[in-house]
This record gives sequence, structure tokens and C-alpha cells, in this order.
Amino acid sequence: AQRVTQPEKLLSVFKGAPVELKCNYSYSGSPELFWYVQYSRQRLQLLLRHISRESIKGFTADLNKGETSFHLKKPFAQEEDSAMYYCASRYNFNKFYFGSGTKLNVKP
Amino acid sequence: GAGVSQSPSNKVTEKGKDVELRCDPISGHTALYWYRQSLGQGLEFLIYFQGNSAPDKSGLPSDRFSAERTGGSVSTLTIQRTQQEDSAVYLCASSLEARSGANVLTFGAGSRLTVL
Repeated sequence: AQRVTQPEKLLSVFKGAPVELKCNYSYSGSPELFWYVQYSRQRLQLLLRHISRESIKGFTADLNKGETSFHLKKPFAQEEDSAMYYCASRYNFNKFYFGSGTKLNVKP
Repeated sequence: GAGVSQSPSNKVTEKGKDVELRCDPISGHTALYWYRQSLGQGLEFLIYFQGNSAPDKSGLPSDRFSAERTGGSVSTLTIQRTQQEDSAVYLCASSLEARSGANVLTFGAGSRLTVL
């Protein structure tokens, strides 16, 4: 079965510190990987996807097929980054699978 | 509409009652998903509709849960004989044709269900 694992339920960092939210997937092959974010009292929304190879709000994520990982990184966290982050995968244009989420808390 | 609409936004019901949750996807989106979001449990897949294909019901937790999608648009998630463990936020999401490389999910605001 396809699995997306986010090992950290909660990650707390100070403002300006680097942050890395971990995501591992279980399926070999060529998945599509995504990061979704949910800010307080807002809808879940797409943050970035691996095929775009883009940086959004200073966040980047690199697909590492050898380690089956898609970790989300930002060199200098901001307080407004505090949110719930979900990693998601999709294979063969089929349905999306989500991880259990990591709550990022950026302290002033 | 401009986004995915869900109703009701909040529902409080008594244990044993039936509830219906509605999702109105973005016009033209052929794929529709229901997820359940519980504290500490992340996003749990429930059911997936894609065009005229048979829905993928593999995530429904019990036979008390059912969903339908009429005319390829609006979807209703029905929970019969609700239990306290059904309390959660039920999220609906839609996307364009599943085989599109530009496929991303757009989520609704969710329906918060509280079973007393």
C-alpha cells in the first residue's frame, strides 16, 4: 500500500532558525509529491509540488528517490510560517495520499 | 462558484442520528474527494469520484458511511447512526481531470461534525 510518513507531529523553532519538515513515501517508481499547508482558520492549500521545482514563501523541497524522501526546507523561519503542513503523494494519476501532518510552531 | 463549497460548516448532532454533508466542487472539476481530518490523525482518505467511473470507496471506515455524486457535480456524504468517534472535520476537495499533469487539489472549508 502507498504510504506517506511524516514522523514529527510538532516542530518548534525560533524565528530565523532553519526548518526542515520530514516526509517519506513508501512506493517506488515515479510519484508526484506535494506539500499542502493549512494556516489557522484557513483552508488547506497547495504550497508546492516537486515537478515545479519552485520556491514558495522561501520553502523548497527536493525529491530524493534514493531515500524516498521529500523534505520541506526553509533556511530562515518566520512567525507567519506557523501552520499545519501535510505531505501528499500521487501515483499513476490516481488518488492522493496524505501524511498525518506536522504542526510547525515558529516562536518569536 | 469560485471555490469548493461545503455545507453545513458546523453540525452538532446526537449519537444515533443520521447526517448529510454536502460538497459543491469547482465547475468543470471531474475528480472529487472526501477526507476526514481528526486531531492527531491527519487527513484520512474516505472516497474518490472520477468522472463516470465507479467511485473508490476503499477509505470508508464502515458501512454507516456512504457518498454519492449526482450529475458529476454535487456530492453528499451520509453518515448513518452517528457515533462519537465520527466527530471530525470532513473535507471535500476537487480537481481537474485526474490524468492531467497540472492536477492539484482545491479544498473546501470543511464541515465540522460534533456527535454528542
